[in-house]
Amino acid sequence: DGGITQSPKYLFRKEGQNVTLSCEQNLNHDAMYWYRQDPGQGLRLIYYSQIVNDFQKGDIAEGYSVSREKKESFPLTVTSAQKNPTAFYLCASSAGQVYGYTFGSGTRLTVV
Amino acid sequence: GQQLNQSPQSMFIQEGEDVSMNCTSSSIFNTWLWYKQDPGEGPVLLIALYKAGELTSNGRLTAQFGITRKDSFLNISASIPSDVGIYFCAGQDNTGKLIFGQGTTLQVKP
Repeated sequence: DGGITQSPKYLFRKEGQNVTLSCEQNLNHDAMYWYRQDPGQGLRLIYYSQIVNDFQKGDIAEGYSVSREKKESFPLTVTSAQKNPTAFYLCASSAGQVYGYTFGSGTRLTVV
Repeated sequence: GQQLNQSPQSMFIQEGEDVSMNCTSSSIFNTWLWYKQDPGEGPVLLIALYKAGELTSNGRLTAQFGITRKDSFLNISASIPSDVGIYFCAGQDNTGKLIFGQGTTLQVKP
């Protein structure tokens, strides 16, 4: 079955360490997105990519980095420059302009 | 970044009651979507609307694409405990990117 997979589901890191969140899709979607969600808050766009080897900053890109070397994969690195990294991170993909997103099940990152 | 105005922010209702929530925007969208997010999971698409004035149902859910293309509403009839979660509206722009509302948190008392 096609879908979008985020791993791991829960991630713990010490302050000052970089951490990479995985997002893989086998839906053959061109576009992929990363969102951050804080408790009781909406979805805030971090980065997005509409084609391989190209990506754009979203609304809250500071302290994050991404790569898009393969169509199926869009990993997100949370760097030590991100001041409040503890959050729920959601990855999504989309087939095009008239279709909605398919979301992964999320990764909850806790930095201590 | 741009966000949609979604209301109400939260609702606490009795099982069996009907629920209504809406979204408004200053921009026109060609597609409106409604998602539901269960606790600790990613949002799942409930209903997609593609034409102004369109009224679409999915079981107990009914959604409408406003005639001005700047608003949409979602109704849930005869709510049940598993309706609990966060409901997001989203408008899709010309690049395919979704602009999300802030979400409506629904709690249902059995």
